[in-house]
Amino acid sequence: DTEVTQTPKHLVMGMTNKKSLKCEQHMGHRAMYWYKQKAKKPPELMFVYSYEKLSINESVPSRFSPECPNSSLLNLHLHALQPEDSALYLCASSLRTRNEKLFFGSGTQLSVL
Amino acid sequence: QQQVKQSPQSLIVQKGGISIINCAYENTAFDYFPWYQQFPGKGPALLIAIRPDVSEKKEGRFTISFNKSAKQFSLHIMDSQPGDSATYFCAAWGGTSYGKLTFGQGTILTVHP
Repeated sequence: DTEVTQTPKHLVMGMTNKKSLKCEQHMGHRAMYWYKQKAKKPPELMFVYSYEKLSINESVPSRFSPECPNSSLLNLHLHALQPEDSALYLCASSLRTRNEKLFFGSGTQLSVL
Repeated sequence: QQQVKQSPQSLIVQKGGISIINCAYENTAFDYFPWYQQFPGKGPALLIAIRPDVSEKKEGRFTISFNKSAKQFSLHIMDSQPGDSATYFCAAWGGTSYGKLTFGQGTILTVHP
């Protein structure tokens, strides 16, 4: 199994809503990542987890709250988002943070109204 | 110093032609250079990658050429097919940026039948 599975595929939320994005992998990878991608732009790194601990936060606003409950699962909790947060949110994983081969999920297309 | 510059922004090629995308980097500590292919609505998928101790790597119709002294690398797609139409991102990894892929801005490739 070489898949990174993200749910939901699409999400529409209001600015006062609370929602969560979910990411799962069963490759035994111990590094997991959240990226944000705007249309026609490259992915931008948001967070990196290494062995279930947050190792990199790219100065992301606190309305985005990551969580890594176990080595296979990564969540991104969303609260009080702004319309400019609308984007494709990508999860990725790699064997370790020093292993450069990243596997990306298909993403969650988020629209904030 | 962390930038990767990619060109062209868009490329139109006839079926059977050669597609060439170029990237340049500044940080000599980068030690891994992948290319990702992304279809609309999907996450990036690793296509091919190279390390700086090798000048060329070929996998099927895809070839990376690497020029360490010029700090440049390029992707060549031979016998381009309509199914190759996608966005291509070059990237770089390593140095002080372990855990972080530095992406180029992307090239939208269109292969006409």
